[in-house]
Amino acid sequence: SQQGEEDPQALSIQEGENATMNCSYKTSINNLQWYRQNSGRGLVHLILIRSNEREKHSGRLRVTLDTSKKSSSLLITASRAADTASYFCAPGSGNTGKLIFGQGTTLQVKP
Amino acid sequence: DTAVSQTPKYLVTQMGNDKSIKCEQNLGHDTMYWYKQDSKKFLKIMFSYNNKELIINETVPNRFSPKSPDKAHLNLHINSLELGDSAVYFCASSQYGGSYNEQFFGPGTRLTVL
Repeated sequence: SQQGEEDPQALSIQEGENATMNCSYKTSINNLQWYRQNSGRGLVHLILIRSNEREKHSGRLRVTLDTSKKSSSLLITASRAADTASYFCAPGSGNTGKLIFGQGTTLQVKP
Repeated sequence: DTAVSQTPKYLVTQMGNDKSIKCEQNLGHDTMYWYKQDSKKFLKIMFSYNNKELIINETVPNRFSPKSPDKAHLNLHINSLELGDSAVYFCASSQYGGSYNEQFFGPGTRLTVL
């Protein structure tokens, strides 16, 4: 098991701009998941990318995975105020479902 | 209908007390989890049960005891509460226990120990 480390810790942008968050991890993985947490709420699953995939899209979200650099990025295009939240990556390996979350990136989108 | 529910949402108690947090999921999932999120937002897994069987048991004080009466419920009992137990506790569930499975989180229980 291993922890994902998100970067930057905090990001503030204007509505309409793109937001990019990065995640690094240390050992080999089967997949990597991204979650969003709105203030005072539980985490919500956004997207899962498998280790044999390089890029995945879901609506305004684009996730990339570079296993050679042990890193992933989450791009939110045309951000909205409602995207204000913390974003967590969780590298996955093994078969227990154990996900190790980092501290997250706190994104603020100003209207 | 709420997929993963927790009660209570807020819990304020004195040091030394014993308290329980309840979790229920109506998704028909086999696996349930307890996480602790500290004030710096680090989210750490504590326990996981698959079909009422304990499969993940992280290094947590033995004052914390999970109990799964059936696969839809996973409760967390905490004895002799300490100040450092103050945190937000999240319950989650997934269809199966593997790392490929999306986890569904409850709304959290904010525990404050005075």
